[in-house]
Amino acid sequence: GAVVSQHPSWVICKSGTSVKIECRSLDFQATTMFWYRQFPKQSLMLMATSNEGSKATYEQGVEKDKFLINHASLTLSTLTVTSAHPEDSSFYICSAWGGTGNTIYFGEGSWLTVV
Amino acid sequence: TQLLEQSPQFLSIQEGENLTVYCNSSSVFSSLQWYRQEPGEGPVLLVTVVTGGEVKKLKRLTFQFGDARKDSSLHITAAQPGDTGLYLCAGLQGAQKLVFGQGTRLTINP
Repeated sequence: GAVVSQHPSWVICKSGTSVKIECRSLDFQATTMFWYRQFPKQSLMLMATSNEGSKATYEQGVEKDKFLINHASLTLSTLTVTSAHPEDSSFYICSAWGGTGNTIYFGEGSWLTVV
Repeated sequence: TQLLEQSPQFLSIQEGENLTVYCNSSSVFSSLQWYRQEPGEGPVLLVTVVTGGEVKKLKRLTFQFGDARKDSSLHITAAQPGDTGLYLCAGLQGAQKLVFGQGTRLTINP
């Protein structure tokens, strides 16, 4: 079946540095992917829609210059958290529609800890 | 402003009891999905409801979509400790955009 994979599963970075998270569709092409952020004990909040070959669409309140999204191919979207701060520490999850049943698939998530 | 209001947000009951989780909105959705999520993992799809008034059953779980396609409920019969987890409803806006409710953290005590 269709699988969406994220890398890394967890990452620790120093405050002020940038960190990149990858989201790959492993056996299907995804023109659109979605990035969510989930703080502990909270629900998933949609951050942005990643569009292959064009600019991402950000949700209200999400800083596009801080959360850079690149969707350079039909199987890969990346989220770069720039100048990370401890408050950016969160669980980041991506999703993509695909497969034979046109179902949405979620990645395993990536834990980011900024120290 | 939360597009989907989920209630209750926390629920702790004894094994064998029944429970219902509600997901309400002022917006109409083309479909609504229910997920279960374990800590540190992505959400896992339980069911998708598409038609107003639709009822779907998954073993002891019963899902209902409101007639106006603005609300949904999840009913669990004879809850078991294995049902413990975070339950999320999510509404589909347009063709692909999925927005989530706040989630219901369910604890079933033995």
